[in-house]
Amino acid sequence: AQSVSQHNHHVILSEAASLELGCNYSYGGTVNLFWYVQYPGQHLQLLLKYFSGDPLVKGIKGFEAEFIKSKFSFNLRKPSVQWSDTAEYFCAVTLGSGGYQKVTFGIGTKLQVIP
Amino acid sequence: DAMVIQNPRYQVTQFGKPVTLSCSQTLNHNVMYWYQQKSSQAPKLLFHYYDKDFNNEADTPDNFQSRRPNTSFCFLDIRSPGLGDAAMYLCATSNRGTRRVAFFGQGTRLTVV
Repeated sequence: AQSVSQHNHHVILSEAASLELGCNYSYGGTVNLFWYVQYPGQHLQLLLKYFSGDPLVKGIKGFEAEFIKSKFSFNLRKPSVQWSDTAEYFCAVTLGSGGYQKVTFGIGTKLQVIP
Repeated sequence: DAMVIQNPRYQVTQFGKPVTLSCSQTLNHNVMYWYQQKSSQAPKLLFHYYDKDFNNEADTPDNFQSRRPNTSFCFLDIRSPGLGDAAMYLCATSNRGTRRVAFFGQGTRLTVV
């Protein structure tokens, strides 16, 4: 079964600092990769996704992620964080390209941005 | 505009007293999911419906049941809630297709007293 590991459970940054959140998955076949964000009091929202093609994916609000197949990684980055980026970030994976696709989540990373 | 709506946002129930959480969607998606998320843990899939077909995860306790009377609505029934069932319950939907993105509701936080 697939699994997702997020290495940083709680990150505190000052505004304008750069962000990188680590995500590794365990599955040797075709994967679809996602980052979801949950702002305080709100629902999980899709930040960006990777299905195929260019391994550097750009999402909303200046976030990007890079799929490195050889490292089974899909790290999330943002060059300069803002206070409004304070949220919990979840890496997730589904397998293959057909049929039922179960979303498996990582444990999440709580990001706190200090003004 | 809310597309996946969960009610209530907060639910308090007594130990052993049956409770039902509801989810509705305006997306007309085929698939509806229920996840359980405990504090500092990843959301864990309990079960899903693909249209009317119910699919239970192997490790979902029998205490948890679900109903989907139509495309728009899905219910999570907890027959005899225990203290360990206190959690955030997330409903999500996705559509038919080769690669699907899941859309989530705001969740219902269940407290068992």
